[in-house]
Amino acid sequence: DTAVSQTPKYLVTQMGNDKSIKCEQNLGHDTMYWYKQDSKKFLKIMFSYNNKELIINETVPNRFSPKSPDKAHLNLHINSLELGDSAVYFCASSSQGAERAFFGQGTRLTVV
Amino acid sequence: KNQVEQSPQSLIILEGKNCTLQCNYTVSPFSNLRWYKQDTGRGPVSLTIMTFSENTKSNGRYTATLDADTKQSSLHITASQLSDSASYICVVNLNTGGFKTIFGAGTRLFVKA
Repeated sequence: DTAVSQTPKYLVTQMGNDKSIKCEQNLGHDTMYWYKQDSKKFLKIMFSYNNKELIINETVPNRFSPKSPDKAHLNLHINSLELGDSAVYFCASSSQGAERAFFGQGTRLTVV
Repeated sequence: KNQVEQSPQSLIILEGKNCTLQCNYTVSPFSNLRWYKQDTGRGPVSLTIMTFSENTKSNGRYTATLDADTKQSSLHITASQLSDSASYICVVNLNTGGFKTIFGAGTRLFVKA
């Protein structure tokens, strides 16, 4: 069974569109994350979320928003997509205090 | 400013050789340090974790060291294999509120036959 799963794996879309990436974890973790990995392979945290607190990286545009329908899911919504949003987006989860994050396989987003 | 710097940026070695990757950090308050391996097209996977009091930890052919005084860590790979080709990311966790995790930019390792 996949621990952290993301869909879709690949997403190609036009500028200006709104899209969502879904993430689910079956590890019973209480904290989930979204990361962006740029072309230089540098991982940058975007959001950290548990049922008590959402922490937002201040450098992330407000076109990006996380939505958590329940503890096992943290979806990423992106409005008005721009060329610079093209990257690989990773979802991850961890148990509070454990700090080891389990990562999904990533979603490669290409904005054309 | 909390930072994690890794060197070299990339490294090419022959199969069977050893190599050492470096990680320097200026992070406070320090909680622990992890090394992750990220294969191409996949998410990072944790290799080792070390807390302030630990100097070395091994995971098979991977050995990580930590010098909390100089704020340096290294990852030594012994008898490299082709499957070791990947990015190795040093991650430092803070013992504080807010974002607790600082990622290094990674070292891209290529192992050639």
